[in-house]
Amino acid sequence: DTAVSQTPKYLVTQMGNDKSIKCEQNLGHDTMYWYKQDSKKFLKIMFSYNNKELIINETVPNRFSPKSPDKAHLNLHINSLELGDSAVYFCASSQASGGYEQYFGPGTRLTVT
Amino acid sequence: GDSVTQMEGPVTLSEEAFLTINCTYTATGYPSLFWYVQYPGEGLQLLLKATKADDKGSNKGFEATYRKETTSFHLEKGSVQVSDSAVYFCALVSRLGANNLFFGTGTRLTVIP
Repeated sequence: DTAVSQTPKYLVTQMGNDKSIKCEQNLGHDTMYWYKQDSKKFLKIMFSYNNKELIINETVPNRFSPKSPDKAHLNLHINSLELGDSAVYFCASSQASGGYEQYFGPGTRLTVT
Repeated sequence: GDSVTQMEGPVTLSEEAFLTINCTYTATGYPSLFWYVQYPGEGLQLLLKATKADDKGSNKGFEATYRKETTSFHLEKGSVQVSDSAVYFCALVSRLGANNLFFGTGTRLTVIP
């Protein structure tokens, strides 16, 4: 069984559309994250959730919103997509806060045309 | 703030060559340190970790030692293989407060037969 899964793997859409990326973890972890990896492979955290509470919210546009229906899921909603949103988005989870390693999903490659 | 500075690539080595990828960090307190690897077309996988000074993390022939005096966590392997070709990321997590994982910029390694 995949520990951290994401859907879809690829997403191609037009500017102005609204899209969602889903993430699920079956590790029983308390904290989940979203990262953005740009074309130069640079990774930056976007959000993290711990027990349904947002504990990190980096300076990302408010067009991006994480939604966690339960501890095992953290979905990423993106409104009014822009060309610059094209990137690979990774979901991750960790046992808890405080120095624990994070386990990553396979990534979703988003292309905005 | 917390940050990671990683040796820029790309790095190209012949099979069985010795590998070093330098990584230094800046952090408040005593972070946990990690090396992640991203194989082509895949997500990030944890390669090794160290959680306190002088700890040595090791996995698949790779090693890195947590050096508090030089704030470094250099990745080494004595004899690389073609299958080691990937992008390697140094990262830290502060154990103070939120579990924010800071990544270096990544180093692309290509091993040629």
